[in-house]
Amino acid sequence: NAGVTQTPKFRVLKTGQSMTLLCAQDMNHEYMYWYRQDPGMGLRLIHYSVGEGTTAKGEVPDGYNVSRLKKQNFLLGLESAAPSQTSVYFCASMRGGWYEQYFGPGTRLTVT
Amino acid sequence: RKEVEQDPGPFNVPEGATVAFNCTYSNSASQSFFWYRQDCRKEPKLLMSVYSSGNEDGRFTAQLNRASQYISLLIRDSKLSDSATYLCAVSFAETGNQFYFGTGTSLTVIP
Repeated sequence: NAGVTQTPKFRVLKTGQSMTLLCAQDMNHEYMYWYRQDPGMGLRLIHYSVGEGTTAKGEVPDGYNVSRLKKQNFLLGLESAAPSQTSVYFCASMRGGWYEQYFGPGTRLTVT
Repeated sequence: RKEVEQDPGPFNVPEGATVAFNCTYSNSASQSFFWYRQDCRKEPKLLMSVYSSGNEDGRFTAQLNRASQYISLLIRDSKLSDSATYLCAVSFAETGNQFYFGTGTSLTVIP
């Protein structure tokens, strides 16, 4: 039981490049979330999903897209990376009806 | 205005001390409340949920004050291993299962 895993752990991008971050959970959780964490800003919700095939915007969705084609996976895409997207990205999952979120180990992204 | 606000600290306390953190939230419709612990360069982990009647888990006590819109976390008999950042989180009924986090309060317990 791996819990929540994130791929990759680290990445450096140049401005304008694109990439996809992968989040996978093996707990059969309905809800999945993508957050970014910046110094002094705390965790901010980018997008979330309440089930396979559904997604919704969070606090800071601009510049990101997501997809949840399979229940266990939640993908976060950056179409054209900007230096402002330099951050630590955390994925989390949660069982429906419960309120404990399980976080992945994070992806450290630097955009130069 | 931020949905959730915390004093970032840092709080530096000696071993054995009692320390308390507060977290204020702006939306009176907030439904659920939590404290998470985050170690340096690690992911957040749920420390405890906060119930209306208050709740205790060993040396940790969490309380909710709906009238003043804040939650608190009290740590008694601080241990070196309590050194971490403590994040509060709230969720609002009208936004389903979205969570809003505070910026975190840094605690260092000194030998």
